Amino acid sequence: EPEVTQTPSHQVTQMGQEVILRCVPISNHLYFYWYRQILGQKVEFLVSFYNNEISEKSEIFDDQFSVERPDGSNFTLKIRSTKLEDSAMYFCASSETVMNTGELFFGEGSRLTVL
Amino acid sequence: AQKITQTQPGMFVQEKEAVTLDCTYDTSDQSYGLFWYKQPSSGEMIFLIYQGSYDEQNATEGRYSLNFQKARKSANLVISASQLGDSAMYFCAMSPLGGGGNKLTFGTGTQLKVEL
Repeated sequence: EPEVTQTPSHQVTQMGQEVILRCVPISNHLYFYWYRQILGQKVEFLVSFYNNEISEKSEIFDDQFSVERPDGSNFTLKIRSTKLEDSAMYFCASSETVMNTGELFFGEGSRLTVL
Repeated sequence: AQKITQTQPGMFVQEKEAVTLDCTYDTSDQSYGLFWYKQPSSGEMIFLIYQGSYDEQNATEGRYSLNFQKARKSANLVISASQLGDSAMYFCAMSPLGGGGNKLTFGTGTQLKVEL
């Protein structure tokens, strides 16, 4: 069964360092997403990406965050200068259709710990 | 704006019994989708079931069914014949329909514990 894969599964970094989280969405999917879950809290939308550009972003997704699809398969989330409050589980997701009529496929998450 | 409310932070159920996890929502969108996801202790998000606001029949997927009451704005998840492996966090979520893709708004979740 096709799946969304994410690397690394866990990353520990120092405050102020840059972090890149990687995702390989399901190959025939058109929409890609990043969500975030701070420990013990609900899952929050960060950004959606379609046709090589951001289609929507939340207020959490400030100038410190960026996304790109550098090679047609990987989908990356970059945090330029990490803060303590960026510590969270980051989920990549993808969906096949433009219209939301079904499943959003999530990866297993990348846990980011900022010290 | 969309809002999901899950009022049960924790629930217990006996193995083989049915359990209902509550979810109410608020939205100004005319068309929307409602989702339930399971998050085991390992952390991944597992899709369980989907209901479109335009669907007249309640969605079912194996042991999962979604009790959709549009007038009450509720989308409760019913798990029949609970199993020990059902112990997990369960999130209700919704998304507008209309070409914007799947921007999900999640609730705070319900921690379900299945007991022998």
